Amino acid sequence: GAGVSQSPSNKVTEKGKDVELRCDPISGHTALYWYRQSLGQGLEFLIYFQGNSAPDKSGLPSDRFSAERTGGSVSTLTIQRTQQEDSAVYLCASSFYRGNYGYTFGSGTRLTVV
Amino acid sequence: AQTVTQSQPEMSVQEAETVTLSCTYDTSENNYYLFWYKQPPSRQMILVIRQEAYKQQNATENRFSVNFQKAAKSFSLKISDSQLGDTAMYFCAFMNGGSQGNLIFGKGTKLSVKP
Repeated sequence: GAGVSQSPSNKVTEKGKDVELRCDPISGHTALYWYRQSLGQGLEFLIYFQGNSAPDKSGLPSDRFSAERTGGSVSTLTIQRTQQEDSAVYLCASSFYRGNYGYTFGSGTRLTVV
Repeated sequence: AQTVTQSQPEMSVQEAETVTLSCTYDTSENNYYLFWYKQPPSRQMILVIRQEAYKQQNATENRFSVNFQKAAKSFSLKISDSQLGDTAMYFCAFMNGGSQGNLIFGKGTKLSVKP
């Protein structure tokens, strides 16, 4: 596609439920990133996929968070047993190789845990 | 670990005037990249300008320019002839020049352009 597509745009879930957030990167981009942006805060790195290499999971805040990238394209971020502190905007980005020319971001998914 | 600091949580400027947003960073690396991103209310992060650390010349993109002071580890953004559409959050970001790593962001500066 022309840009990075994220779905859903907004998600309200009950505490304790699992949620899946989807990211469809730009075709041909080898790298894909997930960031979390809490209210009024900067972007917190979560996880990074590069081609067929093992992902860099160093930013995942707990074992309730996981992500996969199928076929080097679409990625799904899963949050299990959601907590209220998981409420945030989850941003996905993609880039050619390392992204030293910059990342292209999607519009994010706003997750609200009630 | 690298860190990025934006010391101005909020700023305002009159339309058509010039404003400078500050950013400092901390790294022991010599090769890296610096970026400014804009985030309007639509939430989508938009790349404004990019600087390669090994280039001494400051990057410029139309009304946007940077003042890159490598020794001082400073990377400020100047917006000339401010427009109402420039109202947004602005984030400074750092990337290591090695083969691994990701963008590290500052906490952002909220810029309001007033008519």
